[in-house]
Amino acid sequence: AQSVTQLGSHVSVSEGALVLLRCNYSSSVPPYLFWYVQYPNQGLQLLLKYTTGATLVKGINGFEAEFKKSETSFHLTKPSAHMSDAAEYFCAVSLYNQGGKLIFGQGTELSVKP
Amino acid sequence: DAGVIQSPRHEVTEMGQEVTLRCKPISGHDYLFWYRQTMMRGLELLIYFNNNVPIDDSGMPEDRFSAKMPNASFSTLKIQPSEPRDSAVYFCASSPPSGANVLTFGAGSRLTVL
Repeated sequence: AQSVTQLGSHVSVSEGALVLLRCNYSSSVPPYLFWYVQYPNQGLQLLLKYTTGATLVKGINGFEAEFKKSETSFHLTKPSAHMSDAAEYFCAVSLYNQGGKLIFGQGTELSVKP
Repeated sequence: DAGVIQSPRHEVTEMGQEVTLRCKPISGHDYLFWYRQTMMRGLELLIYFNNNVPIDDSGMPEDRFSAKMPNASFSTLKIQPSEPRDSAVYFCASSPPSGANVLTFGAGSRLTVL
């Protein structure tokens, strides 16, 4: 069975600083990996996804993530944080043949200090 | 496209009452998912449908919960009788046939059971 672990339930950075949100997964077969963002009182919005091919994937709002099979990781980064990045971020895993069934991590709340 | 539409956005009810949450997926999407979000348990997949047929309902908490999808444009999640521990945000999401498991989420229905 697949699982996702997000290290750190809360991350705080200063505006302009590097954002690094950690995600490790467990899967017996090559997974599909996702990052979603949730703003207060809203649904989840897709930031980026990895399915196959290039292991460094770019998403919206300047975020990117790198799939590292040897480390079973899919960490999310952004070079320079903006106040508008404050939100909750979820890493998720699914198998290609599960038709979109996603298993989510517990989420990481990102705070951005001025 | 109006996206995934959920109703009601907020519901406050008393213990023992029946609750019905509704979802209209994006036209052309053939997968539909119901998730529940709580502080304690995070995002949990309750059930998902493919072409209106339930595929996996292993996440449905107990017999008090039921979900239906009578046609491609409508689904309901019913709780009868409701209990205070059912208080949560319930999300509906849909994905297309070849969408590489990318889900589009609705804004959610916040349920409070007193």
